[in-house]
Amino acid sequence: AQSVTQLGSHVSVSEGALVLLRCNYSSSVPPYLFWYVQYPNQGLQLLLKYTSAATLVKGINGFEAEFKKSETSFHLTKPSAHMSDAAEYFCAVSGNTGGFKTIFGAGTRLFVKA
Amino acid sequence: NAGVTQTPKFQVLKTGQSMTLQCAQDMNHNSMYWYRQDPGMGLRLIYYSASEGTTDKGEVPNGYNVSRLNKREFSLRLESAAPSQTSVYFCASRTMVDTQYFGPGTRLTVL
Repeated sequence: AQSVTQLGSHVSVSEGALVLLRCNYSSSVPPYLFWYVQYPNQGLQLLLKYTSAATLVKGINGFEAEFKKSETSFHLTKPSAHMSDAAEYFCAVSGNTGGFKTIFGAGTRLFVKA
Repeated sequence: NAGVTQTPKFQVLKTGQSMTLQCAQDMNHNSMYWYRQDPGMGLRLIYYSASEGTTDKGEVPNGYNVSRLNKREFSLRLESAAPSQTSVYFCASRTMVDTQYFGPGTRLTVL
């Protein structure tokens, strides 16, 4: 069985500050891991994904995430927040053995203060 | 490439009414999905179709039916709408275990 836990339903940072959004997963098979972003009144779009290649994954808009198997974590970071980063972020996991389902976390809403 | 399209964008129903949400993708993906999004609960899978001709229940299938009309189209039907089905509905498609591509969503209110 697979599951995803996102720590913190809301995170607030100042513009220019570090963004850290936390995600822990549980998977009985080697996982594929994803971060998606959702802007207001839009669908989700992919930020980055881990598919068993490099453990440090770089995505769009300056975001990156590191896969840590020992900690079962896949935290999302960005060195310097911009106002345009304000959105909701979802961590997700799927199995890499041909399964068709993706399990999403509950989401973390990021607020960026001027 | 339009990606994933959904109709309608907004809908208001009365309890007991029925409706069908339409979804189409032009990326030649095999798998298609229907999710609902509720505050604080992330996305929950209603039904999915791993390939044309197959459909399977997800986490919250009660009150819904689906049809995979062809490779492009996957519709979601509410036979007798209930207020608990007030939500935002997203359709998505993907190839095997890779990235999902989402439609813009349908905001449904059931009075």
